[in-house]
Amino acid sequence: AQSVTQLDSQVPVFEEAPVELRCNYSSSVSVYLFWYVQYPNQGLQLLLKYLSGSTLVESINGFEAEFNKSQTSFHLRKPSVHISDTAEYFCAVSEASGYSTLTFGKGTMLLVSP
Amino acid sequence: EPEVTQTPSHQVTQMGQEVILRCVPISNHLYFYWYRQILGQKVEFLVSFYNNEISEKSEIFDDQFSVERPDGSNFTLKIRSTKLEDSAMYFCASSPTGSNYGYTFGSGTRLTVV
Repeated sequence: AQSVTQLDSQVPVFEEAPVELRCNYSSSVSVYLFWYVQYPNQGLQLLLKYLSGSTLVESINGFEAEFNKSQTSFHLRKPSVHISDTAEYFCAVSEASGYSTLTFGKGTMLLVSP
Repeated sequence: EPEVTQTPSHQVTQMGQEVILRCVPISNHLYFYWYRQILGQKVEFLVSFYNNEISEKSEIFDDQFSVERPDGSNFTLKIRSTKLEDSAMYFCASSPTGSNYGYTFGSGTRLTVV
């Protein structure tokens, strides 16, 4: 079984500042890792994923996450946030089989203010 | 872009009543899922459904829960006799292939049991 820990329930940040949302996981098998984002009144949208290969993965809107196997982490970063990045961010893990279910963290609310 | 549609967005029901949450998955998807998030807690897997039968379910998905694909477009989650602890956001998801890196989630139904 896998588990995910997102220690920060809320991260307030000013516009154009950098941000890091932390995610740690535990698993006895190889994993796939995901970040989902939920904007107000919308569904969960896949932001980026790590399946294999390069440990640094990027999204189209400037977020990146790095898979660190030794630290069992998959932190999400953005060098300069926008007001429109205000949303809830969920880290998730699954077995690296592609067909197992997702295990989510509790989510981190990113609050970007002017 | 194709969407997973969930209705209603918010439902209030009395304890002990039956409730049906509805989902319209993406039309060419074959795998369907329900997840839920109790306020302040993690998003949790409930059930997966393929080829008109349950393929996997969690321990949360007890006899009070059932799923059905009554026609070619809808996918429903029924809770037979709601309890206060069933209050949560319920997310439907669909996938074309069953691989967990191809999920599309709906925007959720917030169920409040009073």
